Amino acid sequence: NAGVTQTPKFQVLKTGQSMTLQCAQDMNHEYMSWYRQDPGMGLRLIHYSVGAGITDQGEVPNGYNVSRSTTEDFPLRLLSAAPSQTSVYFCASSYTPQGPQHFGDGTRLSIL
Amino acid sequence: TQLLEQSPQFLSIQEGENLTVYCNSSSVFSSLQWYRQEPGEGPVLLVTVVTGGEVKKLKRLTFQFGDARKDSSLHITAAQPGDTGLYLCAGEGGGSNYKLTFGKGTLLTVNP
Repeated sequence: NAGVTQTPKFQVLKTGQSMTLQCAQDMNHEYMSWYRQDPGMGLRLIHYSVGAGITDQGEVPNGYNVSRSTTEDFPLRLLSAAPSQTSVYFCASSYTPQGPQHFGDGTRLSIL
Repeated sequence: TQLLEQSPQFLSIQEGENLTVYCNSSSVFSSLQWYRQEPGEGPVLLVTVVTGGEVKKLKRLTFQFGDARKDSSLHITAAQPGDTGLYLCAGEGGGSNYKLTFGKGTLLTVNP
């Protein structure tokens, strides 16, 4: 059972580049979310989805887009990367928004 | 904004010592979840406490939910190097119905 799979594990970008962080889950969870984790800031919610076709903004959505075309996949797009987006990004899934979360192992993103 | 304050922020101890970390809030939560995050990985759920005054044990880890459901503690007996990691608490409720409220965590290092 793979759980939540994130790719890539590491990425280095130049300012202004765009990219997509992939997230897939095989547990048939309706709720999926993206967090960024920065030293001293904890986990901050970027975007979330309560089901296929439904997405909404979290605490820090600026500079990021998401879509949810299937239950399994929830990609996060950086539109024009900025150094302030250097962080570790985690995708999570669960049956309900406030239920136990299953996290992926993260994508470590550096923007130069 | 409902906050969960975790203390201490950092804790470094020797193998075999006992320790307690805390998760406090001015808000009432329906339940609290505790996660452990090891270096380079995503958070993994340890336990959920639901009832005020509830105590749950997971081997050498003891979790307690405050009577008023505003605080929780995690006590580790005879800590081992394998206990090293970031311990996060997360609350359900507290005024939000679309996401968990995460604390910033306690970073525990257990030295051999």
